[in-house]
Amino acid sequence: AQRVTQPEKLLSVFKGAPVELKCNYSYSGSPELFWYVQYSRQRLQLLLRHISRESIKGFTADLNKGETSFHLKKPFAQEEDSAMYYCALGSGTYKYIFGTGTRLKVLA
Amino acid sequence: DGGITQSPKYLFRKEGQNVTLSCEQNLNHDAMYWYRQDPGQGLRLIYYSQIVNDFQKGDIAEGYSVSREKKESFPLTVTSAQKNPTAFYLCASSMGRNQPQHFGDGTRLSIL
Repeated sequence: AQRVTQPEKLLSVFKGAPVELKCNYSYSGSPELFWYVQYSRQRLQLLLRHISRESIKGFTADLNKGETSFHLKKPFAQEEDSAMYYCALGSGTYKYIFGTGTRLKVLA
Repeated sequence: DGGITQSPKYLFRKEGQNVTLSCEQNLNHDAMYWYRQDPGQGLRLIYYSQIVNDFQKGDIAEGYSVSREKKESFPLTVTSAQKNPTAFYLCASSMGRNQPQHFGDGTRLSIL
């Protein structure tokens, strides 16, 4: 079955500390993976996708097919990174599977 | 300003009443989606539409209905058969398969 798992509901880190938001997926084919972010009082928006291999707002995510993971990382967290983060899987159809989300709190 | 527009922002439903949530997009996207967002459960797919006059059930379609008569519009009706309709509803669109989704601001539905 296709599934996306985000094991942490809440992740708290201090400003300047490294951040890693975990995402594991279950999918037998070639996955298309995304990270979406929802800042307070803003709409859900795309942060990055694995195929573009770019860094957005200092965040990167590498697809590890062996571990079926797509963890989101940032070396130095900023207070403005506090938000809800969702990992999503595109399964080759028009359907997407979302994880349950991780709330990141960056403490001053 | 291009994007997805959802209305209303807040909606209240009485027992036994059907209510319709509006979703309009001007991105010229073929695919449109409705999700339900509950605390701790992430986004769950209600219905999606790949193209005009076509739509498919998602994972939690019971108690909901949709139509796709125009490319720009994908309204969602929450029927009286939906016993637990209180939630935050998100509409999204995408250019196609495996493409990034664009989301609206959402509609919060509550029961009176």
